[in-house]
Amino acid sequence: DAKTTQPNSMESNEEEPVHLPCNHSTISGTDYIHWYRQLPSQGPEYVIHGLTSNVNNRMASLAIAEDRKSSTLILHRATLRDAAVYYCILKNPLSGRLSSPGSQGNLIFGKGTKLSVKP
Amino acid sequence: DGGITQSPKYLFRKEGQNVTLSCEQNLNHDAMYWYRQDPGQGLRLIYYSQIVNDFQKGDIAEGYSVSREKKESFPLTVTSAQKNPTAFYLCASSTGLAGLYNEQFFGPGTRLTVL
Repeated sequence: DAKTTQPNSMESNEEEPVHLPCNHSTISGTDYIHWYRQLPSQGPEYVIHGLTSNVNNRMASLAIAEDRKSSTLILHRATLRDAAVYYCILKNPLSGRLSSPGSQGNLIFGKGTKLSVKP
Repeated sequence: DGGITQSPKYLFRKEGQNVTLSCEQNLNHDAMYWYRQDPGQGLRLIYYSQIVNDFQKGDIAEGYSVSREKKESFPLTVTSAQKNPTAFYLCASSTGLAGLYNEQFFGPGTRLTVL
């Protein structure tokens, strides 16, 4: 699975939109882009995922660049509860089935972006 | 409500003792995972299991052992061979191997401190 690069931290004001960037210049054609977030002292939770087209759900929107080398997670109105570490992860659904153990089926979580939300 | 439970939330052990962390899910998921998280770091995969009675080593399996005798349970044992066991341990599950359609659902975690 290809590597992603995210800023270490970002700040936002409450009720303002937040754009969390992710670079993945080595993405392959079959890699899906997944976003998870981890609230303090909790396990991560799924946010959204996509392949090529922009995606929307109740939590966020995912904007994917036309060349797919970058993507942006958009929180339309940040709340204090959105303060968390956001992870951008690439996953090829077919990867790992014939490759070495350890990469099969799991999502590789990097350090992510720590989002702070100010009231 | 369906979900994943991990117990206990905090666990203290003396150095040299084995300790078993519990993970139970009632989501009817086939796949289960154990991750370790150190302060300020991402998650690292310890073990995963695709189906009952089968499990595979992840990236940092040394010093850990697991079993998968029941679909809903995937306990992790931290043995005395694990050199730096103090960490936050997260259990997760998914309907199949995480990827296209299979988001991972995480438990609340167990914070293990070895004194």
